[in-house]
Amino acid sequence: RKEVEQDPGPFNVPEGATVAFNCTYSNSASQSFFWYRQDCRKEPKLLMSVYSSGNEDGRFTAQLNRASQYISLLIRDSKLSDSATYLCVVNTRRMLTFGGGTRLMVKP
Amino acid sequence: GAVVSQHPSWVICKSGTSVKIECRSLDFQATTMFWYRQFPKQSLMLMATSNEGSKATYEQGVEKDKFLINHASLTLSTLTVTSAHPEDSSFYICSALAENTEAFFGQGTRLTVV
Repeated sequence: RKEVEQDPGPFNVPEGATVAFNCTYSNSASQSFFWYRQDCRKEPKLLMSVYSSGNEDGRFTAQLNRASQYISLLIRDSKLSDSATYLCVVNTRRMLTFGGGTRLMVKP
Repeated sequence: GAVVSQHPSWVICKSGTSVKIECRSLDFQATTMFWYRQFPKQSLMLMATSNEGSKATYEQGVEKDKFLINHASLTLSTLTVTSAHPEDSSFYICSALAENTEAFFGQGTRLTVV
């Protein structure tokens, strides 16, 4: 089993749709969690950190479930510019592990 | 926010030559830096973890004699691809962990070996 798993997609959604991604991790000692966005041929950029209490930034909501060892990302009112690959990143004792990424395609 | 600068952003080299990629943390000290490789349409794959002042830890299947990593200071780590071959052509990215555990990425280096 991979340490961090994501559905690779692609998720093809129309503009304005709400889409959710999940990510599961295997190491219960993992300490911090992030969602990164990667555009084609570019480096990953931090989208948001994920906290146990859940956090929201505009149209984006991230949640962490430590008991079930998964994190989620919800995107509301999808825009064309949201098309990218979304990477789940888990930090365990200062070792970063990436999920394989979930590709999102937002269509007009 | 913290910035990680990676240089060069792209390089084309002849087969058999060596290429050095630099990764600098510009406004924070990075005791740990990571080097990743990404082939087209694939996910980031960790190559090695670089700790300042000590030898890098390589992932299984990554040749340490081919991918030389030096992390001589708290702000600089280098990756040297020695005797590069066309199959080494890839997108190489470094990242550094800041004290608050957020990771910052360099811009990436696109290496093409001809």
